[in-house]
Amino acid sequence: KAGVTQTPRYLIKTRGQQVTLSCSPISGHRSVSWYQQTPGQGLQFLFEYFSETQRNKGNFPGRFSGRQFSNSRSEMNVSTLELGDSALYLCASRFRQENSPLHFGNGTRLTVT
Amino acid sequence: DAKTTQPTSMDCAEGRAANLPCNHSTISGNEYVYWYRQIHSQGPQYIIHGLKNNETNEMASLIITEDRKSSTLILPHATLRDTAVYYCIVVNQGGKLIFGQGTELSVKP
Repeated sequence: KAGVTQTPRYLIKTRGQQVTLSCSPISGHRSVSWYQQTPGQGLQFLFEYFSETQRNKGNFPGRFSGRQFSNSRSEMNVSTLELGDSALYLCASRFRQENSPLHFGNGTRLTVT
Repeated sequence: DAKTTQPTSMDCAEGRAANLPCNHSTISGNEYVYWYRQIHSQGPQYIIHGLKNNETNEMASLIITEDRKSSTLILPHATLRDTAVYYCIVVNQGGKLIFGQGTELSVKP
């Protein structure tokens, strides 16, 4: 069974631009979560989607948004990029929302210059 | 969500058992203990989880104390490839995972 796939693997953007990251969950998984990882803050939860609805949200500004499609694939968008948005963005999927292990992809490394 | 406390770093000799402790004294009755690990430049990898009873799978064993205020992850025969940051996380059903700083485990030859 294929794991969680994130594209692109690396991305370089300029301050003020916007970016869209993509995530394909494990087949059959209906829940997708997004995390941001930085050296200073560690792994921080962004949001979780289940059946195309946002079910949980972390403490990030409105510049960070996401969506989930009917095939469970998800995208995350960051608008008006700031230097501090440079991070590893991780997507994870699980079979159902309640008590089910998250399975992570290897992330998209975003660098904002 | 309950917070967890883990040692910042630990060493283990290759071939020996690695015992990673975690304190979660404020855990609630319906909260699970999850363990993940992250090897540099990769996404976190799920290891094991449990509620009350001890659990074992092909990767590790999870020992949860009777009062559920602490747990230990056991890697029975550590290898160099087990060098990673190990995260202990407490989460309720349907809740989001809140990662702490984890324990950096170094397995040495």
